[in-house]
Amino acid sequence: GAVVSQHPSRVICKSGTSVKIECRSLDFQATTMFWYRQFPKQSLMLMATSNEGSKATYEQGVEKDKFLINHASLTLSTLTVTSAHPEDSSFYICSARKTGGDNQPQHFGDGTRLSIL
Amino acid sequence: GESVGLHLPTLSVQEGDNSIINCAYSNSASDYFIWYKQESGKGPQFIIDIRSNMDKRQGQRVTVLLNKTVKHLSLQIAATQPGDSAVYFCAENNYGQNFVFGPGTRLSVLP
Repeated sequence: GAVVSQHPSRVICKSGTSVKIECRSLDFQATTMFWYRQFPKQSLMLMATSNEGSKATYEQGVEKDKFLINHASLTLSTLTVTSAHPEDSSFYICSARKTGGDNQPQHFGDGTRLSIL
Repeated sequence: GESVGLHLPTLSVQEGDNSIINCAYSNSASDYFIWYKQESGKGPQFIIDIRSNMDKRQGQRVTVLLNKTVKHLSLQIAATQPGDSAVYFCAENNYGQNFVFGPGTRLSVLP
């Protein structure tokens, strides 16, 4: 169990386009989901924590109007990169934590490679 | 402070040998730790976890050791195989807070 599906796996689009990435927990409910950004050969950088039914909590330096997060159900969170530019090109990864406790592992999706031309 | 690194240490081991990957964590109040494995182009995969009331935990071919005195975590992989080649991240969690990930270590298994 504990499968997280992330879609799409790869996006290539023109500058100025808005891109939506979906994160689904397939076999469990996740009150909390997390969005990370990862640069080549670096660790995961937490962008925001997504809570079902409430506003996301963004890390310092992450523009909430640039990276819109919606967590409308216990199995789905979406990240929308608005008016994306080449500097937004990166590997975006989501994770989900099972409902029922904070001290539980996060389960990760397989990431979305975003390339802005 | 946060344990986010800007470089990626590399460990090379011969196939069949044991691997030891180390991690220094930053928060003495952290009470839950996880090792993740990340293959190229994929998301991190849960390997094993340990809580702060334990010093050692074993899984299939993997062992995690926790030394709270020096805030050190290690992952031991027995009889390393080519499929073990990946980047390994430790993550620490202070109950109720987010996980903080270490800088990662790239494990290369030599034939």
